[in-house]
Amino acid sequence: DAGITQSPRHKVTETGTPVTLRCHQTENHRYMYWYRQDPGHGLRLIHYSYGVKDTDKGEVSDGYSVSRSKTEDFLLTLESATSSQTSVYFCAISDSGLAGDGEQFFGPGTRLTVL
Amino acid sequence: GNSVTQMEGPVTLSEEAFLTINCTYTATGYPSLFWYVQYPGEGLQLLLKATKADDKGSNKGFEATYRKETTSFHLEKGSVQVSDSAVYFCALSVGGSNYKLTFGKGTLLTVNP
Repeated sequence: DAGITQSPRHKVTETGTPVTLRCHQTENHRYMYWYRQDPGHGLRLIHYSYGVKDTDKGEVSDGYSVSRSKTEDFLLTLESATSSQTSVYFCAISDSGLAGDGEQFFGPGTRLTVL
Repeated sequence: GNSVTQMEGPVTLSEEAFLTINCTYTATGYPSLFWYVQYPGEGLQLLLKATKADDKGSNKGFEATYRKETTSFHLEKGSVQVSDSAVYFCALSVGGSNYKLTFGKGTLLTVNP
């Protein structure tokens, strides 16, 4: 199994508070991704990173920011959480050098509830 | 743009039944195709993949063939088990796109004993 951990695994917060989710990898993979999973929508890409300090937006990036100061860590921040951001968040990693075909490896997920 | 359409669920089968989950795609360029599986309470795991036309991916009794002429990648299994109950996602990746995956909405499979 790819070494990917997410923290926290569960979080309940209130509307308007800031929240940071952490993804940590031990695989030294170049690419890291944040997705959210919602019923009826499958997985949707929020942001991704293609290297340290190199990030870009996905299809549902509004209300989210990311940072990657080290290869192994990719942080997702909700500056002011809203109830619409209640979801399960997955981190994924990919190594274009080895796989070359876009295969991604997923973390266990973080269940976030915004009250 | 890129998109994946997979059959809506839920799908309910009896043990040992034949399974087909349809997946079709639209892509710019030549995609790699994937099936991921998500067991209850877990993250996604790669089930199988195919990287070029006519390739067949297979794993754990599941198979899918990359059909460029019909832009399809249907998932099949000859005899399902209760332990196959999960959500199945079809996905594609196009080279030069920073390996972003585009997912279908997922199909929930329930297998009854």
